Amino acid sequence: AQKITQTQPGMFVQEKEAVTLDCTYDTSDPSYGLFWYKQPSSGEMIFLIYQGSYDQQNATEGRYSLNFQKARKSANLVISASQLGDSAMYFCAMTLSDSTLTFGKGTMLLVSP
Amino acid sequence: DGGITQSPKYLFRKEGQNVTLSCEQNLNHDAMYWYRQDPGQGLRLIYYSQIVNDFQKGDIAEGYSVSREKKESFPLTVTSAQKNPTAFYLCASSTLAGASGELFFGEGSRLTVL
Repeated sequence: AQKITQTQPGMFVQEKEAVTLDCTYDTSDPSYGLFWYKQPSSGEMIFLIYQGSYDQQNATEGRYSLNFQKARKSANLVISASQLGDSAMYFCAMTLSDSTLTFGKGTMLLVSP
Repeated sequence: DGGITQSPKYLFRKEGQNVTLSCEQNLNHDAMYWYRQDPGQGLRLIYYSQIVNDFQKGDIAEGYSVSREKKESFPLTVTSAQKNPTAFYLCASSTLAGASGELFFGEGSRLTVL
């Protein structure tokens, strides 16, 4: 069965600094997708970034980039120039060819002024 | 605007009562999903449906039931058989794009059993 591991329950970062949120995954399926979602205290899940298993380049979306290291089975999220509004839970997730999404337990990010 | 609507946002029920959470989408997505989230935890899949009149159990289906009579609607019933129903429930939908299919989420329903 596929598995997503986020080893950091919480992270602190100062405003304007960069932060890396760790994610490792485990699957034997050669075709998979990796996602990061942000969940603010209001509860909704906000899509941030996607990386396909066959993508050669790391995905980037504005201040978000995904450091995809296929051999290590890691998909870390890098947030550059942190903002106070980035404080939230962040979930790494993986989908396989059956379209179901498996989530990690999340990392709580707190950005301080 | 296109999106997913969940209702109610907050729900209280007494032990032994069934309750139904509504999920409607106007994105023309084939697949719909229900996830449960407990405090400090990730999301766990309850049920999903990839076509009308068909659905599959997820990882924690016991004590829950669903129906998919219309493409737009995927209601979840939390039955009295669910031993710990207090949780945050999220509905999602996606195109059937396999490993590249992004899930779009509703705003969630918070169920509290008194």
